[in-house]
Amino acid sequence: EPEVTQTPSHQVTQMGQEVILRCVPISNHLYFYWYRQILGQKVEFLVSFYNNEISEKSEIFDDQFSVERPDGSNFTLKIRSTKLEDSAMYFCASSAVVAASDTQYFGPGTRLTVL
Amino acid sequence: AQSVTQPDIHITVSEGASLELRCNYSYGATPYLFWYVQSPGQGLQLLLKYFSGDTLVQGIKGFEAEFKRSQSSFNLRKPSVHWSDAAEYFCAVRHTGTASKLTFGTGTRLQVTL
Repeated sequence: EPEVTQTPSHQVTQMGQEVILRCVPISNHLYFYWYRQILGQKVEFLVSFYNNEISEKSEIFDDQFSVERPDGSNFTLKIRSTKLEDSAMYFCASSAVVAASDTQYFGPGTRLTVL
Repeated sequence: AQSVTQPDIHITVSEGASLELRCNYSYGATPYLFWYVQSPGQGLQLLLKYFSGDTLVQGIKGFEAEFKRSQSSFNLRKPSVHWSDAAEYFCAVRHTGTASKLTFGTGTRLQVTL
């Protein structure tokens, strides 16, 4: 069964450093998402992406964050200058179509630890 | 704004017992509702979803959920829990006017005793 993959599984970085989290969505999917889950809190939406553009973003997704689909398979989330409060599990998701009833398939997540 | 409430942070049940996890939503129109499960070290896996039709929906792993508009609820049930069901369960709602974000509840951690 096709699945969303994410690398690395765990990233440790120093405050102020740039990090890039990578995701490979399911191959025929067109819509891509990033969510994050701070330890002990709910999963929160960050951004959605379609046709090489951001479709929607949350208040969390400020100028320090960016997303990119650099090639036909990868979808990346970049944090330019990490802060302690960016420590969280980051989930990538993808869906085939844009219908609200469609399923978003999630990857296993990248745990980001900012020291 | 839409929101989801899962009143139970942690539930413990014995293997073989029945299970009901509560979910209440706040949304003006008919929402699209989802239940996801997260096992340790794993991503979020869809258990079931409701978007129209029969208010009792069947999902994977023997789970079902019932949409009750009058109570703004979408509770998840399983008649007989297995030890492998121990995980975190998330209820989520999706805006019918946009296909983007899911809004999640805070989750319920299920522990199963043998």
